[in-house]
Amino acid sequence: EAEVAQSPRYKITEKSQAVAFWCDPISGHATLYWYRQILGQGPELLVQFQDESVVDDSQLPKDRFSAERLKGVDSTLKIQPAELGDSAMYLCASSLKAGPYNEQFFGPGTRLTVL
Amino acid sequence: LAKTTQPISMDSYEGQEVNITCSHNNIATNDYITWYQQFPSQGPRFIIQGYKTKVTNEVASLFIPADRKSSTLSLPRVSLSDTAVYYCLVGDNYGQNFVFGPGTRLSVLP
Repeated sequence: EAEVAQSPRYKITEKSQAVAFWCDPISGHATLYWYRQILGQGPELLVQFQDESVVDDSQLPKDRFSAERLKGVDSTLKIQPAELGDSAMYLCASSLKAGPYNEQFFGPGTRLTVL
Repeated sequence: LAKTTQPISMDSYEGQEVNITCSHNNIATNDYITWYQQFPSQGPRFIIQGYKTKVTNEVASLFIPADRKSSTLSLPRVSLSDTAVYYCLVGDNYGQNFVFGPGTRLSVLP
């Protein structure tokens, strides 16, 4: 069964450092999502891509976060500089396309700890 | 803006049927109702989606009344492995029109 791949699974960094997360969606999935999930809360959408284009990044803190999906396949989410409040699980998901009846398939996530 | 309201937590026993109700008074005509399940340290997993009336698949049923202002996820004969957080989402799966709330933490006891 095809799965969404993410790496690394765990990342520990110090504040003010740069971190990057990688996501490889299910083959053929045009829509890719990055979420941030703080412990005890539901996932919060950071950015949504349709192929290589950003559909929604209204909740992405653009002063420190950036996301790209250059060839419309895999994607990278970067934080620079990291802050203590960025400690969370970062989840990537993909779907065949956006819209109803296109379930999102989630990866295992990257757990970030900022010291 | 919270689009859904659901209980924070529920307890049940193995073998029982569990019903989790979600309120969505401001649901729009184009919105669908979707439920996801999440185990600790894993990403959410799609359970079921519907627009109106009743939808059933191999793991759950979704009941949606005619006014669509609420919906009920029904899990038949739960087991310990059904202990998880269940999220009700309302929207059309486009960007910020599809928001995860805090979910319902279901604990299944032996």
